[in-house]
Amino acid sequence: NAGVTQTPKFQVLKTGQSMTLQCAQDMNHNSMYWYRQDPGMGLRLIYYSASEGTTDKGEVPNGYNVSRLNKREFSLRLESAAPSQTSVYFCASSTTGNTEAFFGQGTRLTVV
Amino acid sequence: RKEVEQDPGPFNVPEGATVAFNCTYSNSASQSFFWYRQDCRKEPKLLMSVYSSGNEDGRFTAQLNRASQYISLLIRDSKLSDSATYLCVVALNTGFQKLVFGTGTRLLVSP
Repeated sequence: NAGVTQTPKFQVLKTGQSMTLQCAQDMNHNSMYWYRQDPGMGLRLIYYSASEGTTDKGEVPNGYNVSRLNKREFSLRLESAAPSQTSVYFCASSTTGNTEAFFGQGTRLTVV
Repeated sequence: RKEVEQDPGPFNVPEGATVAFNCTYSNSASQSFFWYRQDCRKEPKLLMSVYSSGNEDGRFTAQLNRASQYISLLIRDSKLSDSATYLCVVALNTGFQKLVFGTGTRLLVSP
């Protein structure tokens, strides 16, 4: 079972470069999320999509954009990468309501 | 004040020990509660949901105290494989499940 798949797993960017992190889920979930995880900070919500066709800002959206391409796919774009965006990024999905969230394996991004 | 607070640890315990983790949350409107487990350099995975009546899953017992806004996780008979970071997670369900994560408590179980 694939679950939530993220690509790439690792990436090094130079300051000012752009890139898109891809996420796809095969569980027919309505809601999808992008989190970043930094030491001592826990997981912080960047953007979320409650359902296909909608996206909303989370706790730390600055410097990011997202696209909910269809029910399966939710991408995160860094238009002009900064060293402060060095982090581990997790995509997650869940059904509506009081349910478990499933996470992708994460993308380790370093911006130099 | 953080929305979800946990002692970061690490908790160093020998195999077979009983260990308890606590977590407090600030938003009284929180509706759902979970413990997630995260192994080093891996993604978080659900360990168990937490219900008002308390719930048990093998060696793991979770409890919720809504009045004190407090969640606990008890691990009995610790195994080496229990070494991980345990994340307390609180959810607001406002048409969409907003999950708020604690920073996690690290557990190290030694032989």
